[in-house]
Amino acid sequence: EPEVTQTPSHQVTQMGQEVILRCVPISNHLYFYWYRQILGQKVEFLVSFYNNEISEKSEIFDDQFSVERPDGSNFTLKIRSTKLEDSAMYFCASSEAEGRPLHFGNGTRLTVT
Amino acid sequence: GQNIDQPTEMTATEGAIVQINCTYQTSGFNGLFWYQQHAGEAPTFLSYNVLDGLEEKGRFSSFLSRSKGYSYLLLKELQMKDSASYLCAVRRDDKIIFGKGTRLHILP
Repeated sequence: EPEVTQTPSHQVTQMGQEVILRCVPISNHLYFYWYRQILGQKVEFLVSFYNNEISEKSEIFDDQFSVERPDGSNFTLKIRSTKLEDSAMYFCASSEAEGRPLHFGNGTRLTVT
Repeated sequence: GQNIDQPTEMTATEGAIVQINCTYQTSGFNGLFWYQQHAGEAPTFLSYNVLDGLEEKGRFSSFLSRSKGYSYLLLKELQMKDSASYLCAVRRDDKIIFGKGTRLHILP
């Protein structure tokens, strides 16, 4: 069964550094998402992306965050200047159409020191 | 805004049935998902309800009442591997918002 893949599985970075989290969504999917989950807390929506542009974003997704689909397969999340509170598991998800279930990747655990 | 409420924790016995409730308040409601999440893993899709009524899929069923802003997930013939968090998620436009999840403990 096709799956969403995320790299790296774990990233450690220093406060103030830039990180790029990478995702390869399922190939025929059209809608892409980033979520984060701080340890012990709920899965929080960050951003949705369709037709090469952001369709919705949350209050968390401020100017420090950006997303890109640089080619036909990758979908990236960039955090420009990481803060301690950005430490979380970041999940990429994709769906084939509006209203269809999200398929999640295994996540990237980001640790900011 | 939106609000999704579900119990924080539940305990049930292997072989039994458990019902996990979810209530929500949101404008622009477009459907409700249930996901399962084992500790340290990604959420996996269980069910999706758009219309009122019951959707059955093997040991799992999900019910929706749009007028009441209410859903439940019913798990039958519980197995130890069902120990996990169960996440209620509401779709509004292009956003799917998750509740805090219900941690289900299964006792032998």
